[in-house]
Amino acid sequence: ETGVTQSPTHLIKTRGQQVTLRCSSQSGHNTVSWYQQALGQGPQFIFQYYREEENGRGNFPPRFSGLQFPNYSSELNVNALELDDSALYLCASSLGQHTDTQYFGPGTRLTVL
Amino acid sequence: RKEVEQDPGPFNVPEGATVAFNCTYSNSASQSFFWYRQDCRKEPKLLMSVYSSGNEDGRFTAQLNRASQYISLLIRDSKLSDSATYLCVVIPGSGYSTLTFGKGTMLLVSP
Repeated sequence: ETGVTQSPTHLIKTRGQQVTLRCSSQSGHNTVSWYQQALGQGPQFIFQYYREEENGRGNFPPRFSGLQFPNYSSELNVNALELDDSALYLCASSLGQHTDTQYFGPGTRLTVL
Repeated sequence: RKEVEQDPGPFNVPEGATVAFNCTYSNSASQSFFWYRQDCRKEPKLLMSVYSSGNEDGRFTAQLNRASQYISLLIRDSKLSDSATYLCVVIPGSGYSTLTFGKGTMLLVSP
């Protein structure tokens, strides 16, 4: 196992609601990246946090936001949920923003009805 | 054009077969290349890195052709346990390391 944990495992929300997903990084890792994986697609990069600062962002609207805490755990917040937000949300931790090797958590499966 | 494109699947092969997956990437400045494996409803896991000189790990061989912007993965003597989706992954070479994934190619190995 990678030592990266995510909660909750599964979540069902309705359109327009807000959701917060959580990720605990592997011990000693200071960088967390979030990815969205829709059914039948590869994961897509949402954003990365390095030492509590957003370090880079993919092509996602501002209603996708995040935080990283001093212990390097992280949250992904999505406001005004849309049906297309239904996906597996993966976080990956790494040591340093330039480190190629990222360790994935088991993901949170979000269903928006 | 998508940043990372892979063979559409699924590939259905019998045990013991040799199977090859292909992948192309659009950004010539890309720095690092990987193959990940993803089992159904699980997270992606790093299978192997890909180097220009080619690299082998047991039954798995990965090749990179920078001139053609092409990556391949060869699996020899397929096992039932190889059934999974194989994701081609590129790090585009920006200031921070983000993984750009292909759509994945599903492999089904049958007895």
